[in-house]
Amino acid sequence: EVQLVESGGGLVQPGRSLKLSCVASGFTFSNYGMNWIRQAPGKGLEWVAYISSGSSYIYYAETVKGRFTISRDNAKNTLYLQMTSLRSEDTALYYCARGDRTSPFAYWGQGTLVTVSS
Amino acid sequence: DIVLTQSPVLAVSLGQRATISCRASQSVSISSINLMHWYQQKPGQQPKLLIYRASNLASGIPARFSGSGSGTDFTLTIDPVQADDIAAYYCQQSRESPLTFGSGTKLEIK
Repeated sequence: EVQLVESGGGLVQPGRSLKLSCVASGFTFSNYGMNWIRQAPGKGLEWVAYISSGSSYIYYAETVKGRFTISRDNAKNTLYLQMTSLRSEDTALYYCARGDRTSPFAYWGQGTLVTVSS
Repeated sequence: DIVLTQSPVLAVSLGQRATISCRASQSVSISSINLMHWYQQKPGQQPKLLIYRASNLASGIPARFSGSGSGTDFTLTIDPVQADDIAAYYCQQSRESPLTFGSGTKLEIK
């Protein structure tokens, strides 16, 4: 069974940093591209970042480019999102999702909540 | 960026057909492959893939769900609608980066 489990969310002040993790199981992690997708409270879905299976290709939404860094450790079956210079508008539930560049997001985690507030 | 437009709310009676539309600001097709996908999200849950590449039913999804369309116009159909289908439905394109979602359609029961 495919499982994606996010962690690392919490309350953080504007301008500070936070690092999210997503541990994958039930499939060969190193064979798949991975994504971060977020959802602000009561709002729709926003794709944040993508990383290919071997980390050769990385893409970001303009809203986070230069502030967020996606990475992965295939030996640990773990996806990361390093978030810096956080803003109130980054407040959201952050999901990791499996999906290659042109593929759908076939599997999603339960999400980890990030709240940016003073 | 490719903008996906959905109606915010659709009200349907139980047992009837629901048709949810998604219009893209430019074609999301490549060589006749339609890179449009549909997700269902119930309150408090993560999104679930329903339909991929416009018309392919994802694993474990009931045949009451179907998808159609090409180019810029796509439709998700639920027939017949059941009480368990109350949710938000999102379309999403993977034609080009940034990957984008529609704003979602909330399915309500009349």
